[in-house]
Amino acid sequence: GIQVEQSPPDLILQEGANSTLRCNFSDSVNNLQWFHQNPWGQLINLFYIPSGTKQNGRLSATTVATERYSLLYISSSQTTDSGVYFCAPRGNQGGKLIFGQGTELSVKP
Amino acid sequence: DTAVSQTPKYLVTQMGNDKSIKCEQNLGHDTMYWYKQDSKKFLKIMFSYNNKELIINETVPNRFSPKSPDKAHLNLHINSLELGDSAVYFCASSQTGQGASREQFFGPGTRLTVL
Repeated sequence: GIQVEQSPPDLILQEGANSTLRCNFSDSVNNLQWFHQNPWGQLINLFYIPSGTKQNGRLSATTVATERYSLLYISSSQTTDSGVYFCAPRGNQGGKLIFGQGTELSVKP
Repeated sequence: DTAVSQTPKYLVTQMGNDKSIKCEQNLGHDTMYWYKQDSKKFLKIMFSYNNKELIINETVPNRFSPKSPDKAHLNLHINSLELGDSAVYFCASSQTGQGASREQFFGPGTRLTVL
């Protein structure tokens, strides 16, 4: 099956800093989602991005499917950005999402 | 509100008991999923139903039995609960088929603790 690797595993930022989270996957995928799991455990959809670049406020994401990676950019980070960020490509079998191990982000005031 | 909802939010029970978790979506989606998140926050698919038909059944013990009475509901029944079943269980839904985006939306999760 598809292997998904996210980096870095942990990240501590000062409020206002920018960061880039990376997601590598081992095989071709049909699409890819980025989620933010907030400290209350909710999984919040950030991007549905099989290829190309999308922007939503301070966040943007780029997926280069041919090179099997996706990037999530967080600019001007805020304390409310803290939590775990998951990348989840969808493989070709049955529509299941295959989650990476996540990047745990802590933004300090 | 349009959403994926789950009940209960928390479930604390003794080993050996049988329990159920319910999931409902009012997004009009045709496919629903159960995912399990373990204590290390690793998320993994358990089951998927499309229009009430089971399409994904990962290597999950047969103590876990999903049931889909209609395409808006997917319940998870767990028999003879074990300590290792303690986890957060997430329900999700998506629209599949020609031209559909297939983006999955998740419920708030059910935290199951087996004592």
